Amino acid sequence: QVQLQQWGAGLLKPSETLSLTCAVYGESFSGYYWNWIRQAPGKGLEWIGEINHSGSTNYNPSLKSRVSTSVDTSKNQFSLRLSSVTAADTAVYYCARAIQDYDNSGYYYYYYMDVWGEGTTVTVSS
Amino acid sequence: QSFLTQPPSVSAAPGQKVTISCSGSSSNIGSSYVSWYQHLPGTAPRLLIYVNDKRPSGISDRFSGSKSGTSATLAITGLQTEDEADYYCGTWDVSLTAGLFGGGTKLTVL
Repeated sequence: QVQLQQWGAGLLKPSETLSLTCAVYGESFSGYYWNWIRQAPGKGLEWIGEINHSGSTNYNPSLKSRVSTSVDTSKNQFSLRLSSVTAADTAVYYCARAIQDYDNSGYYYYYYMDVWGEGTTVTVSS
Repeated sequence: QSFLTQPPSVSAAPGQKVTISCSGSSSNIGSSYVSWYQHLPGTAPRLLIYVNDKRPSGISDRFSGSKSGTSATLAITGLQTEDEADYYCGTWDVSLTAGLFGGGTKLTVL
């Protein structure tokens, strides 16, 4: 059974860089996209970005200038970095496994996240 | 604002049926399959429905999904108090090449 275990600094000061890592246990790292999602207090889920085993990435356009992701296939881990954080980046951050591709018709894209980490609370405060 | 529009809240009595809508556009729901997630406070979101209408193993058949054009719907029948949660639709936007979530709908079981 696939499990995701995540960790990282929980308290940051404005302008610092958020860094989180997610480890994948019980499943092959390849063949999937590995995603980051967050939920700010009182807000909904926000997709941050993703990376696959070969390092191909996609990012939320609104965060793209500050986001980077990386993958360490030798450890079955992937990481998120978000630079120049502000109070608006205070949120619970989740890692998740995504299954995605075009269907057999080649027209419709399927995308869903079937395994999630437990979440890491990150607070940005001076 | 979100690219996917959901009602902020819905409510119904135990045993009743409720539906939650998710409206998008041709570049997201119109070009991609829809998934639905249940999110309880303090827990990780849980996949309820994928590729519009498929249920993962272990998800009750009280949950069902459908899609038509650029909109999708989650239906929950036989409401139970433990169904109280936030529900999110999700999909992929082929123009943005990005994942999307709806704004979320809070379900209250009266």
